[in-house]
Amino acid sequence: KAGVTQTPRYLIKTRGQQVTLSCSPISGHRSVSWYQQTPGQGLQFLFEYFSETQRNKGNFPGRFSGRQFSNSRSEMNVSTLELGDSALYLCASSLGLAADTQYFGPGTRLTVL
Amino acid sequence: AQRVTQPEKLLSVFKGAPVELKCNYSYSGSPELFWYVQYSRQRLQLLLRHISRESIKGFTADLNKGETSFHLKKPFAQEEDSAMYYCALSGGYNNNDMRFGAGTRLTVKP
Repeated sequence: KAGVTQTPRYLIKTRGQQVTLSCSPISGHRSVSWYQQTPGQGLQFLFEYFSETQRNKGNFPGRFSGRQFSNSRSEMNVSTLELGDSALYLCASSLGLAADTQYFGPGTRLTVL
Repeated sequence: AQRVTQPEKLLSVFKGAPVELKCNYSYSGSPELFWYVQYSRQRLQLLLRHISRESIKGFTADLNKGETSFHLKKPFAQEEDSAMYYCALSGGYNNNDMRFGAGTRLTVKP
């Protein structure tokens, strides 16, 4: 099976702009989770989508949003970018069942100038 | 609230020595615990999870509910074990709200 793919791999934006990141899960996986990884805060859970519905949400402001399509592909959007949003954004897919293994993508490196 | 604590940011051992990476958690219910690993220039991947009770690459981890710990152990470290290790907790049934610890960078010296 093909692994989790994320596009784009690198992105440079300026403050105030908005950005959309994309994640394609492993075929058959219905759950997609998003994480923000920074040197200071580590891996932080953003949200999880399952069958096109947001099932769990972390402690991030409303500027961070996402959605999932019927084919399980997911997008994450960040509006009004801030310098502190510079991070590696990881997505992970799983079947969505309890205690599932999550399979991670390579990440999108976002730099906000 | 779910919380995972890995007290050591860096851990260095010699090849052949035992290694223990510490993980403590707080959670009010019955959590599912995992260890994920990230080798250099590779993706984050699952190493093991407590419900499987299996040994992967010689690593084991025992869930101690009394001490709320899930330490990762290996009796004889190898150089290829050098990596970043993350302990993670999930809330269980139909809950994929996964919380990660800050990670421990393990270096195994020759």
